[in-house]
Amino acid sequence: GAVVSQHPSRVICKSGTSVKIECRSLDFQATTMFWYRQFPKQSLMLMATSNEGSKATYEQGVEKDKFLINHASLTLSTLTVTSAHPEDSSFYICSAKATSTDTQYFGPGTRLTVL
Amino acid sequence: GDSVTQMEGPVTLSEEAFLTINCTYTATGYPSLFWYVQYPGEGLQLLLKATKADDKGSNKGFEATYRKETTSFHLEKGSVQVSDSAVYFCALSEGGSEKLVFGKGTKLTVNP
Repeated sequence: GAVVSQHPSRVICKSGTSVKIECRSLDFQATTMFWYRQFPKQSLMLMATSNEGSKATYEQGVEKDKFLINHASLTLSTLTVTSAHPEDSSFYICSAKATSTDTQYFGPGTRLTVL
Repeated sequence: GDSVTQMEGPVTLSEEAFLTINCTYTATGYPSLFWYVQYPGEGLQLLLKATKADDKGSNKGFEATYRKETTSFHLEKGSVQVSDSAVYFCALSEGGSEKLVFGKGTKLTVNP
């Protein structure tokens, strides 16, 4: 149980386009989802926390207009990278927290490459 | 701010060798400490955790003890297996917060 999926697993896009990444909790309801970014050989950095039905809370230094987060249901959160640039290329990971526990369950990540 | 420092990898061991991955932390309060493992192609999974000083977390033969005096949470396993090959992340969360602060991860490869 407690499986989190991400789609797509990898995406390549042209500079200036927007990319949407989905994060789904497959077998539990997640009131809170988290989005992380990981650079090569670096730790996961929390970008934002999203609660179902409310606006996401962004960490300091993360542009909310560039990284749009929507948590429309208890099983789905999306991250849209708008007007992507090569410096946005990274590994994006989501996690979901089950309502009944304190444990975060992580997705397998999405590799974004912006050309 | 809070931070986690773990030993740089990669670490390569032979099967049945003893494993230690060092982790130290900096926090303003009394954090909870975690070890996560990421197997190839999969998401991070919680391996073990400890919520207060001197607590020992254990799972699948892995152990880590919360040492407040040395601000450490080193991961150990007495006899590693090939199936333990993965990336291991040390992390903390401050008192009741949902936010996790991660170390950079240590890649472990176990050869038969």
